[in-house]
Amino acid sequence: EPEVTQTPSHQVTQMGQEVILRCVPISNHLYFYWYRQILGQKVEFLVSFYNNEISEKSEIFDDQFSVERPDGSNFTLKIRSTKLEDSAMYFCASKAQYYTEAFFGQGTRLTVV
Amino acid sequence: QKEVEQDPGPLSVPEGAIVSLNCTYSNSAFQYFMWYRQYSRKGPELLMYTYSSGNKEDGRFTAQVDKSSKYISLFIRDSQPSDSATYLCAMSTGNQFYFGTGTSLTVIP
Repeated sequence: EPEVTQTPSHQVTQMGQEVILRCVPISNHLYFYWYRQILGQKVEFLVSFYNNEISEKSEIFDDQFSVERPDGSNFTLKIRSTKLEDSAMYFCASKAQYYTEAFFGQGTRLTVV
Repeated sequence: QKEVEQDPGPLSVPEGAIVSLNCTYSNSAFQYFMWYRQYSRKGPELLMYTYSSGNKEDGRFTAQVDKSSKYISLFIRDSQPSDSATYLCAMSTGNQFYFGTGTSLTVIP
């Protein structure tokens, strides 16, 4: 069964460092997302990506964040200068069409120390 | 006002019980609705997807949507210990998804 895969599963980084979280969405899906979940809190939208550009972003997704689809399979989230409050689970999701369900990856647990 | 409201629980039931999980929402533009199951420190796993009012059944799971009342439910029949997890409702106007806080469910053998 096709699935969204994310790497790494756990990343520890020092405050101020840059991190790149990687995702391989389901093949032939067209819409891509990043969400995050701070421990004990709800899943929050960060950004959506379609047709090689950002289609929507939240207030959380400030200038420290960027996304890229460097080739036909990968979708990355970069945090330029990590802060302690960036510590969270980051989930990638994809969906085939606009009005279809989204499938999530298993997440990357980011710990900023 | 929160977009999506969900009782966080925790909810504890004996094995074999019928479980009812609920969410309410305020945005009448939401067009489609999902239920996800999430185990600790794992990604949300899609259980049900629906875009119309009424019931949708899949095995032991039934999703119910009442757009007039802005209310959705997930029923789990013959609950099993393996159903112990956090259940998230999510809804969308088309692009991004808005999640509830999740309901923690424990099914006791």
